[in-house]
Amino acid sequence: GAVVSQHPSWVICKSGTSVKIECRSLDFQATTMFWYRQFPKQSLMLMATSNEGSKATYEQGVEKDKFLINHASLTLSTLTVTSAHPEDSSFYICSARLDGRVLYNEQFFGPGTRLTVL
Amino acid sequence: DQQVKQNSPSLSVQEGRISILNCDYTNSMFDYFLWYKKYPAEGPTFLISISSIKDKNEDGRFTVFLNKSAKHLSLHIVPSQPGDSAVYFCAASMDSGYSTLTFGKGTMLLVSP
Repeated sequence: GAVVSQHPSWVICKSGTSVKIECRSLDFQATTMFWYRQFPKQSLMLMATSNEGSKATYEQGVEKDKFLINHASLTLSTLTVTSAHPEDSSFYICSARLDGRVLYNEQFFGPGTRLTVL
Repeated sequence: DQQVKQNSPSLSVQEGRISILNCDYTNSMFDYFLWYKKYPAEGPTFLISISSIKDKNEDGRFTVFLNKSAKHLSLHIVPSQPGDSAVYFCAASMDSGYSTLTFGKGTMLLVSP
């Protein structure tokens, strides 16, 4: 149980285009999902917290207009990188918190999406 | 400023021996700590956690020790197996509920046969 999927697993796009990444909790409901970004040999940096039915909460320094987050259902959150540039190339990972398990703060992670912007 | 630090980027251990991965933190408000294991091109998977009210938590071959006064925790793997080779991330949060996680940079563990 507690499986999180991401789609696509990798994407290459041209500079200036937009890319949408999906994060799904396959066998559980997740009111709260998280989007992280990881550069090589660096830690996972939290970009934003996505809450179903409300606006996402962005971390300091993350442009909300560039990284659009939509959490339209209890099992799906999407991250859209708008007008992507080469510096946006990174590994994007989502995670989902299992509803009802708030005492444990366990986040279940997706496999990640490798974005390369040419 | 890194609030969670894993100062060893890599660690090599022989199969059957003990692996000890260390993690230090600077924020005294952290009171819940987790270890995640990550293989290349995959997302992290939860391994073990510990609350600040404890100083040890054990799960099979994995034991996490917490020294609050030193703001230090460690993950012990005994005995180490080649399948344990992965990157291990230490993470911390300010409560065991809704707080977000702060991750260290990870330590790559290589267990050789």
